[in-house]
Amino acid sequence: DTEVTQTPKHLVMGMTNKKSLKCEQHMGHRAMYWYKQKAKKPPELMFVYSYEKLSINESVPSRFSPECPNSSLLNLHLHALQPEDSALYLCASSQEFRGRTYEQYFGPGTRLTVT
Amino acid sequence: GQQVMQIPQYQHVQEGEDFTTYCNSSTTLSNIQWYKQRPGGHPVFLIQLVKSGEVKKQKRLTFQFGEAKKNSSLHITATQTTDVGTYFCAGPIVGGTSYGKLTFGQGTILTVHP
Repeated sequence: DTEVTQTPKHLVMGMTNKKSLKCEQHMGHRAMYWYKQKAKKPPELMFVYSYEKLSINESVPSRFSPECPNSSLLNLHLHALQPEDSALYLCASSQEFRGRTYEQYFGPGTRLTVT
Repeated sequence: GQQVMQIPQYQHVQEGEDFTTYCNSSTTLSNIQWYKQRPGGHPVFLIQLVKSGEVKKQKRLTFQFGEAKKNSSLHITATQTTDVGTYFCAGPIVGGTSYGKLTFGQGTILTVHP
């Protein structure tokens, strides 16, 4: 199974709402990632988890709060977002990167619109 | 910081023509990865190159890694409409707390006209 799943596929939320994005993988990968992607741009790294611990936070605003409940699951909690946060949010996973970099498997993404 | 430049940004070809996208890094890379993102889709890993001067082929796709490990290219022979999408190169940032972080090129958006 080389699939990363994400829910929901689409999300529309107001600026005062609280919502969560979910990601799951069953490849035994111990590194998981959140990316933000705007149209016609490359994915922009937000967070990296390694062995369920946050290892990289790319200076993301606190209105985005990641959580890794176990080695298969990754959540992104959203609160008080701004319209400019509208984007495709991608989850990815890879083998854990001690000493080398492995290919990343991306989920289908959540298309988020903030109104 | 490390930068990965990719050209061209857009490429329009007639079906059957060849296509090449180029990737250049400001620093030496331990490896380079290539991803394809179809319109409305998500990035899908294509290949990883590790060795200096390495050349790998996948059917009509040929990937090269430069001798200095600072540049790479993806060449598609006789494009088909199924090749449409954005091709990204990505190089790892290594060391310290940055392990696992990829620097993506800006991508080349390929359009194939039937």
